[in-house]
Amino acid sequence: DTGVSQDPRHKITKRGQNVTFRCDPISEHNRLYWYRQTLGQGPEFLTYFQNEAQLEKSRLLSDRFSAERPKGSFSTLEIQRTEQGDSAMYLCASRGSSYEQYFGPGTRLTVT
Amino acid sequence: AQKVTQAQTEISVVEKEDVTLDCVYETRDTTYYLFWYKQPPSGELVFLIRRNSFDEQNEISGRYSWNFQKSTSSFNFTITASQVVDSAVYFCARSPNNAGNMLTFGGGTRLMVKP
Repeated sequence: DTGVSQDPRHKITKRGQNVTFRCDPISEHNRLYWYRQTLGQGPEFLTYFQNEAQLEKSRLLSDRFSAERPKGSFSTLEIQRTEQGDSAMYLCASRGSSYEQYFGPGTRLTVT
Repeated sequence: AQKVTQAQTEISVVEKEDVTLDCVYETRDTTYYLFWYKQPPSGELVFLIRRNSFDEQNEISGRYSWNFQKSTSSFNFTITASQVVDSAVYFCARSPNNAGNMLTFGGGTRLMVKP
């Protein structure tokens, strides 16, 4: 059983650049979540998809952030015009019919 | 916001000691779910347990046990006979009982188990 995978694992970018992260959920899971975790804090919810529909967005998700799940399988999270405050671990999770969310290894973003 | 509070930011124990990690939550929901996750140094969050709000029965899994007290809004986690491999950050989380089930996490407790 393949778990949730995320790519890349690490990304260093300069302020003002755009970055895109990818998440591949567990294959039979129709729900997909993005969270952000800063150093020493718990993860914070960003957005949620059921199949290809984006059903919920946190107020943390500014207009520089956009997420897609075009065919209800993998998802991408794009950050435009990155700022130093965007430096964090971006976590993806997926869920099937049960209520547990299974997390990927995360993408660590550093904005210099 | 309905918060989850883990008052202990760091705990240090010696191997084979028992340790309890505290979790207190706020909720206005009648039904909800509670979770514990482990984040080892590798960084990946590992699911440990889910508890439904309507089921207050405590649970034991090997060296792990969980004590759910709805009256005090607490969901504490005990590790018996701790081992060095238990060293990690542990997160308590809550979700509403709806289709989205977005998780609200506590700030985490860093557990260090020394040999």
